[in-house]
Amino acid sequence: AQSVTQLGSHVSVSEGALVLLRCNYSSSVPPYLFWYVQYPNQGLQLLLKYTTGATLVKGINGFEAEFKKSETSFHLTKPSAHMSDAAEYFCAVSPGGGNKLTFGTGTQLKVEL
Amino acid sequence: AAGVIQSPRHLIKEKRETATLKCYPIPRHDTVYWYQQGPGQDPQFLISFYEKMQSDKGSIPDRFSAQQFSDYHSELNMSSLELGDSALYFCASSRGVLEGGTDTQYFGPGTRLTVL
Repeated sequence: AQSVTQLGSHVSVSEGALVLLRCNYSSSVPPYLFWYVQYPNQGLQLLLKYTTGATLVKGINGFEAEFKKSETSFHLTKPSAHMSDAAEYFCAVSPGGGNKLTFGTGTQLKVEL
Repeated sequence: AAGVIQSPRHLIKEKRETATLKCYPIPRHDTVYWYQQGPGQDPQFLISFYEKMQSDKGSIPDRFSAQQFSDYHSELNMSSLELGDSALYFCASSRGVLEGGTDTQYFGPGTRLTVL
């Protein structure tokens, strides 16, 4: 079974500041890990994913995440926040390709001037 | 690039009515997934199909049924609607690695169902 815990349902940062959204997972098999972003009244857009190989994954819009097996974490970071980054971010896990995604409860990112 | 298409985008129904949601996957994608996102909640997996066969089943009520057709589009049928069925319903599609894809699930814009 898989599960995801996202610490912090709401995160607020200043424009230009570091963004750090935390995600810890639990999986009985080597996981596939994902970050999706959801803008108001829109669908889920894939930011990045980890399947195998390099543990530092770069995604769209300047985001990246690092898979740390020893910490069972997959935190999402961006060096400099932009106003357009304000959205809800979901971390998700699956037990491999072609399988259902299990989502965390989401983190609402607010970017302030 | 073509994306996942869902119709209708918005649907309003009365209690005990039925609803049909449609999903058209990205061309050449062979797997379709349905998720339900309640207000302020994370998406919950309902059901998935691979090559027109049900591949996995999650927390889908018995009042709901779904299928994938020969052209790979999928329909989610919901009967005896309840107030608690009001949610955003997402469809996602993917193409397997063995078929030359990446297994990544791409989501449609969702259908917002409101049950009055």
